[in-house]
Amino acid sequence: EDQVTQSPEALRLQEGESSSLNCSYTVSGLRGLFWYRQDPGKGPEFLFTLYSAGEEKEKERLKATLTKKESFLHITAPKPEDSATYLCAVQGNQGGKLIFGQGTELSVKP
Amino acid sequence: EAGVTQSPTHLIKTRGQQVTLRCSPISGHTSVYWYQQALGLGLQFLLWYDEGEERNRGNFPPRFSGRQFPNYSSELNVNALELEDSALYLCASSLNSPDTQYFGPGTRLTVL
Repeated sequence: EDQVTQSPEALRLQEGESSSLNCSYTVSGLRGLFWYRQDPGKGPEFLFTLYSAGEEKEKERLKATLTKKESFLHITAPKPEDSATYLCAVQGNQGGKLIFGQGTELSVKP
Repeated sequence: EAGVTQSPTHLIKTRGQQVTLRCSPISGHTSVYWYQQALGLGLQFLLWYDEGEERNRGNFPPRFSGRQFPNYSSELNVNALELEDSALYLCASSLNSPDTQYFGPGTRLTVL
């Protein structure tokens, strides 16, 4: 069964304190792994798509990496505005549907 | 470029009623997806439409249904509402599959 597990469930950081979020997955035929950011009561905002092991992508203070079993979202020198829930999702060989993890709720204090 | 739009923003219904939610995809996108985000359950896949056809559905009862119109907009219909249908309903669109899905702001449905 396709499955996504994110850890930790919640993470509290001080401004400037770098850290990483983990996304472990099992999927039949990975077609893509996706990272989103979601603010309370709003729709998920797209961050990154990774397609194959070894791929890395960066955007401002965020960097996403992918292996055959997991993905990491590295946050360098976070700011309070980075506070949100970060969601990881995979798409398998069925196509279409995304299978989401439960998310990591990140809080960055000034 | 306009993003995915959804209407209405909020909706309050009573148990047993029926509801229709609407979604307009990003211009040029032909695939539309519906997800349910209930409190504590995460995002759950509901339906996938592409070129007017239903391509896949998640593990939801038949009272959840929908359709896609020739202009690629979509409707999600929920019949015989139950209390546990209270959730944020999210629509997403993509150019094709596999491709990044871009989400709308959602419709908050409350069933009393």
